[in-house]
Amino acid sequence: GDSVTQMEGPVTLSEEAFLTINCTYTATGYPSLFWYVQYPGEGLQLLLKATKADDKGSNKGFEATYRKETTSFHLEKGSVQVSDSAVYFCALSPNRISNFGNEKLTFGTGTRLTIIP
Amino acid sequence: DSGVTQTPKHLITATGQRVTLRCSPRSGDLSVYWYQQSLDQGLQFLIHYYNGEERAKGNILERFSAQQFPDLHSELNLSSLELGDSALYFCASSGGEGTGYGYTFGSGTRLTVV
Repeated sequence: GDSVTQMEGPVTLSEEAFLTINCTYTATGYPSLFWYVQYPGEGLQLLLKATKADDKGSNKGFEATYRKETTSFHLEKGSVQVSDSAVYFCALSPNRISNFGNEKLTFGTGTRLTIIP
Repeated sequence: DSGVTQTPKHLITATGQRVTLRCSPRSGDLSVYWYQQSLDQGLQFLIHYYNGEERAKGNILERFSAQQFPDLHSELNLSSLELGDSALYFCASSGGEGTGYGYTFGSGTRLTVV
């Protein structure tokens, strides 16, 4: 079945450092890929998404590129801030047309990110 | 405010009891998904409803059941509660039958079984 493997945490960085959180997936066909962020005490928020190969999702300075050849969707940010401290989840959903009735999102285990001033 | 409303926010109950968690999806969304988030299991998909019909079932225990009503709100019923059922329960909604556009999550219900 579908699966998402995410970089183990926790990750601690200094403010303004470069961030990479690795994510690889296993799925048939052409899934859609997502990054969600969970701030303390809150639900998950969609950070960015990509629905086909070579698409780049971006939001709030974060970027991730859908790489089908390496089945990856790594999250990057050039200069992190203290406010970026949160748990980040990589997720995929199966191709809608070929998986009607099985549209659940499959999540990675999450990576806790802490940014130190 | 994401537009997805979950009640209650916190729930403390004893083992063996039954509770009902409620979710109101974002206006216009027809799909509702339930997830359980625990420290050791991460985010586990429980069940998906679309416009009142069950569409997909994940790792949902037989002691748990859900339904989606004509007004599209959903309820997750947990019975014969055990200590291991303590977790955050999230509801999410989306606009179409599939998830190509991502979900909108509620802020969750924290269930503590004592």
